[in-house]
Amino acid sequence: KNEVEQSPQNLTAQEGEFITINCSYSVGISALHWLQQHPGGGIVSLFMLSSGKKKHGRLIATINIQEKHSSLHITASHPRDSAVYICAVLSYNTDKLIFGTGTRLQVFP
Amino acid sequence: DTGVSQDPRHKITKRGQNVTFRCDPISEHNRLYWYRQTLGQGPEFLTYFQNEAQLEKSRLLSDRFSAERPKGSFSTLEIQRTEQGDSAMYLCASSLRANSGNTIYFGEGSWLTVV
Repeated sequence: KNEVEQSPQNLTAQEGEFITINCSYSVGISALHWLQQHPGGGIVSLFMLSSGKKKHGRLIATINIQEKHSSLHITASHPRDSAVYICAVLSYNTDKLIFGTGTRLQVFP
Repeated sequence: DTGVSQDPRHKITKRGQNVTFRCDPISEHNRLYWYRQTLGQGPEFLTYFQNEAQLEKSRLLSDRFSAERPKGSFSTLEIQRTEQGDSAMYLCASSLRANSGNTIYFGEGSWLTVV
């Protein structure tokens, strides 16, 4: 079993829909990152969380440390949101990032 | 600051040849990570440095792989006697000391194709 699990693996949506991507992890963490990867490889950090909730524009990220679970929400989705979204946790013990396999999101007009 | 830069962005090489990738982190970032990513998969940890010290190497990093960060600034990842299974994107990332939970910054990746 992977230490970081994401669901769903693939997600399609119509423009304007509310989207949720989930991440569960099994290790103790210092922080959790939500990352966005576009075709061609470049990765951008969207959020870094250690507790609670953060919001940036149409993106909202939440984390529940007790349940070892985080969610990334996209409100009013747009085709330009199409990308792979990756959850990565910073392991408290080993001090390195452990990545999930990513969720491929496609938003159609 | 121009962010994390990687060179070359793309490399096609014949099986058995050696290749070297370079990563220039954000200045003053003391943590530097190397990851490998194949199609449809999330990045897999290879190794990381705190300044010039290599703190951990993954089991994925066979004897053909070596990474250095001689002055605690840029890093190189060398693959000797490349194999077709080495074809992947090699990602570099940097941050300030990670335990403080600082944001991590990624390079654009170096794509390797072994033919």
